[in-house]
Amino acid sequence: QQQVKQSPQSLIVQKGGISIINCAYENTAFDYFPWYQQFPGKGPALLIAIRPDVSEKKEGRFTISFNKSAKQFSLHIMDSQPGDSATYFCAASGGSNYKLTFGKGTLLTVNP
Amino acid sequence: NAGVTQTPKFRILKIGQSMTLQCTQDMNHNYMYWYRQDPGMGLKLIYYSVGAGITDKGEVPNGYNVSRSTTEDFPLRLELAAPSQTSVYFCASSYEGTGANVLTFGAGSRLTVL
Repeated sequence: QQQVKQSPQSLIVQKGGISIINCAYENTAFDYFPWYQQFPGKGPALLIAIRPDVSEKKEGRFTISFNKSAKQFSLHIMDSQPGDSATYFCAASGGSNYKLTFGKGTLLTVNP
Repeated sequence: NAGVTQTPKFRILKIGQSMTLQCTQDMNHNYMYWYRQDPGMGLKLIYYSVGAGITDKGEVPNGYNVSRSTTEDFPLRLELAAPSQTSVYFCASSYEGTGANVLTFGAGSRLTVL
């Protein structure tokens, strides 16, 4: 069964700190790894994504680190802000299956 | 450009009742999806469609039905509602040309079955 395991389930960070969320996958055919951000009462929205031909992708304060040999990828939020408080989902897809498999989500709270 | 629109936003059903969650998109996306979100469980795919007239089951299809008569609309039908169907439902769409796996989600429909 295709799985994406996400940790931690919840995370509390002080303003200005670094938030780190980790995901691990099993299917070596996966070749697309997005992160979605969801605010309360809203639908998830694509935040940032990476393909396995690079080990890191940065967009502003958000960085994905990718370790192909370990089958792991992580989201780093630098200088975390209270406005970053949301639920974050990692996901993966690839091979003959374009459909995304989602992790269970991480509730991030950034305290002021 | 409204994106993905879901109605209703909230609904309470009694056990055994039926209802349809509506989803429409105005982006001319050919792929559409229905997910359910339960606390701590992530997003589970219920049904998906790759174009008008074509639908297929996802991970958790039991108790649901879908149809896709137009590119824009992808309603989700719940027959004989059960408490286990209490959840938040999200419709999403994507375009094969720019990435079938790049999803745009609606705002969700919260369903409670009592």
